[in-house]
Amino acid sequence: NAGVTQTPKFRILKIGQSMTLQCTQDMNHNYMYWYRQDPGMGLKLIYYSVGAGITDKGEVPNGYNVSRSTTEDFPLRLELAAPSQTSVYFCASSLQSPEAFFGQGTRLTVV
Amino acid sequence: QKEVEQNSGPLSVPEGAIASLNCTYSDRGSQSFFWYRQYSGKSPELIMFIYSNGDKEDGRFTAQLNKASQYVSLLIRDSQPSDSATYLCAVRAGNQFYFGTGTSLTVIP
Repeated sequence: NAGVTQTPKFRILKIGQSMTLQCTQDMNHNYMYWYRQDPGMGLKLIYYSVGAGITDKGEVPNGYNVSRSTTEDFPLRLELAAPSQTSVYFCASSLQSPEAFFGQGTRLTVV
Repeated sequence: QKEVEQNSGPLSVPEGAIASLNCTYSDRGSQSFFWYRQYSGKSPELIMFIYSNGDKEDGRFTAQLNKASQYVSLLIRDSQPSDSATYLCAVRAGNQFYFGTGTSLTVIP
């Protein structure tokens, strides 16, 4: 039982490049979330999903896209990377229960 | 805009003392309330959650909720150096979690 797994752990992108942050969970959780955390700041919700085939925007969705084709996977796509997207990205999952389990994070730098 | 406010600190307490962390939230429809601990460079991990007004105790930790005042707190008794971390308050409203910016706690040996 690996929990929530994110890849990659670190990435440097050039401005205008695209990439996909991978997130997979093996706990059969229906809810999955993508957050970003900027230095000294709290977690800001980018997108979330309440089940396969269903996604919705959070507080800061601009510049990102997601898909949820399976219960296990919830990739986050960055199109045309910008320096403002430099951040630490966390994927999380939960059941109807309150606890959200977090992945180890992806540290992204856009230069 | 649903807001969760925390004093960013830093908060310093001596080892063995009680650390008190506070949080206020704006959405009266919020259903459940959480405290996460985040060590530097690591992901958040859940310490406690609380649904109902009053106190909830788990070991050295006590969460307190006052929905009328829209206030949540976390007390850490017998603070240990290993408690030094950033503590994030989170509120669940509907399908979303809303996080505060966190309070940095340092426990001085």
